[in-house]
Amino acid sequence: GDSVTQMEGPVTLSEEAFLTINCTYTATGYPSLFWYVQYPGEGLQLLLKATKADDKGSNKGFEATYRKETTSFHLEKGSVQVSDSAVYFCALTLPSSNTGKLIFGQGTTLQVKP
Amino acid sequence: ETGVTQTPRHLVMGMTNKKSLKCEQHLGHNAMYWYKQSAKKPLELMFVYNFKEQTENNSVPSRFSPECPNSSHLFLHLHTLQPEDSALYLCASSQDNRGGTDTQYFGPGTRLTVL
Repeated sequence: GDSVTQMEGPVTLSEEAFLTINCTYTATGYPSLFWYVQYPGEGLQLLLKATKADDKGSNKGFEATYRKETTSFHLEKGSVQVSDSAVYFCALTLPSSNTGKLIFGQGTTLQVKP
Repeated sequence: ETGVTQTPRHLVMGMTNKKSLKCEQHLGHNAMYWYKQSAKKPLELMFVYNFKEQTENNSVPSRFSPECPNSSHLFLHLHTLQPEDSALYLCASSQDNRGGTDTQYFGPGTRLTVL
């Protein structure tokens, strides 16, 4: 079935370090791909998205490129800040969906230390 | 109020209680969703409504009963819950849920504890 797999966390980095959170997917057809972020005590916020192969989503210094050949959508940031500490979720929806159902990965906790 | 709001933010209930969770969106969207976020499990879609009509029930037990009186409001009625139903319940909305490209906007969630 359709699924999303994220790297196991937690990921602990020092401030200004380079971040990569891996995400791969299994899906029929050509999904849209999303990264959501959840800060402590809050709901999910869309971080970025890409709706077709080779698209790059970007926001707040984060980037992810939709790689159809490797079925991946890895999240990257060149220099993380303490305020980036949160849980990051990779997700997909299918264009054939008539409900907009989001399928999520298990989430990756990022902790950035000063 | 802006965005998606949920009340209450925290709820503790016994297994014999009946309670309701409320979600309201102020974005003019047509689709609304309930998700369950349990510890160490991926977020699970529970229900989807589009223009007030339920379009998905993801095999949710009948002790969870959704209600969508209009496109701005969504309720989740709870009765005879089990301790394993303790979780964060998230509401979301989107402009349209066909085609799979629309962004879903989430509320802050209701943290439910079933004793």
